[in-house]
Amino acid sequence: QKEVEQDPGPLSVPEGAIVSLNCTYSNSAFQYFMWYRQYSRKGPELLMYTYSSGNKEDGRFTAQVDKSSKYISLFIRDSQPSDSATYLCAMSGSSGYALNFGKGTSLLVTP
Amino acid sequence: AAGVIQSPRHLIKEKRETATLKCYPIPRHDTVYWYQQGPGQDPQFLISFYEKMQSDKGSIPDRFSAQQFSDYHSELNMSSLELGDSALYFCASSRLAAYEQYFGPGTRLTVT
Repeated sequence: QKEVEQDPGPLSVPEGAIVSLNCTYSNSAFQYFMWYRQYSRKGPELLMYTYSSGNKEDGRFTAQVDKSSKYISLFIRDSQPSDSATYLCAMSGSSGYALNFGKGTSLLVTP
Repeated sequence: AAGVIQSPRHLIKEKRETATLKCYPIPRHDTVYWYQQGPGQDPQFLISFYEKMQSDKGSIPDRFSAQQFSDYHSELNMSSLELGDSALYFCASSRLAAYEQYFGPGTRLTVT
């Protein structure tokens, strides 16, 4: 069983909607949490990263970490068609800095 | 801003052949990671290097080897290629003790 679980979707929302993406994890030793966006056949693009519980905001994106529940979220406000991509959560810190990824959630934002 | 560079971007090889993938990290990044992403899968960690030394090892087959050079670029050498090695291979770089990793565009390897 994967240490990081993520609903693969697909998730379809209308333009302007608030999107909520989530991951759960089982390894309490994970300390660092990241969200990547990946367009088809492209490399993962780092969106957000944090190492503590709480919220971190960057423009339309908010990352939320709840270590007590082993649950992380990414919120996208005012979603745009250009946000259509696969969103991967990733975490590390249990042993070195190697990333453990979720399966990724496919998001489609329709005009 | 400069990004991670990977070459070649596409590679087609036959079974039992060898392949070499190259990665040039972001300037002033001294740590390199290699990941393999199969079709419809999430990236799987293979191996990492810091200051030319292997720093961590994941699910890298014995047929694969890698190294990091004095200019911090890294090469992934793959021998006795199998059909199952067909995948996207990503390199990521970071500064030492920085947990955030920045990925390159990947090399798409097709083994026929």
